[in-house]
Amino acid sequence: EIVLTQSPGTLSLSPGERATLSCRASQSVSSSYLAWYQQKPGQAPRLLIYGASNRATGIPDRFSGSGSGTDFTLTISRLEPEDFAVYYCQQYGNSPLLTFGPGTKVDIK
Amino acid sequence: QVQLQESGPGLVKPSETLSLSCTVSGGSMSGYYWSWIRKPPGKGLEWVGHVYSSGSANYNPSLNSRVTISVDTSKNQLSLKLRSVTAADTAVYYCARMGYGDVRHFQVWGQGTLVTVSS
Repeated sequence: EIVLTQSPGTLSLSPGERATLSCRASQSVSSSYLAWYQQKPGQAPRLLIYGASNRATGIPDRFSGSGSGTDFTLTISRLEPEDFAVYYCQQYGNSPLLTFGPGTKVDIK
Repeated sequence: QVQLQESGPGLVKPSETLSLSCTVSGGSMSGYYWSWIRKPPGKGLEWVGHVYSSGSANYNPSLNSRVTISVDTSKNQLSLKLRSVTAADTAVYYCARMGYGDVRHFQVWGQGTLVTVSS
């Protein structure tokens, strides 16, 4: 059974700083099937990155994704006030067929 | 632009069946995978399962014996039934759509509906 681990659990940063979020899988994940989402309180998740490194429509270029195999990274180059939220990675194709990581909360320092 | 709207009871008694619907507007259901995803209070996202527009479904093994997801393309509706619920099934339930073809991430989400399991 595949397990996604996200680190850190919480990232405390100031606006303007760089955020680096990690998603590690217990088994290899196809890059085509690794996505990242942002979720704010009371809202549905929003797709940020798909295929490990492709920005979804309308996503600012301060968001970037990278990685392959078992190690993936979401980077926010300069945090804007609206970026403070919880971020989830998601994989498809292993067993269970689809899983989310536990999330990384980015909060204001 | 496709929009999804969940509906159903906000309160379900333990041991009963949770039933939710998701109405799709602004587009066709054909050719897509349609999922239910839930978020328990204070916890992360959990995939419940999905159904293709043809009716073929896959479920999270942790819920497999209790869940049924179905689609009615003539009514543009997705349905979820979760049997024998407990307090652990209390969550915000979202319906979501993957992209067309070999796309396995969620491009469109409903706003979510809170279901509380309590007597």
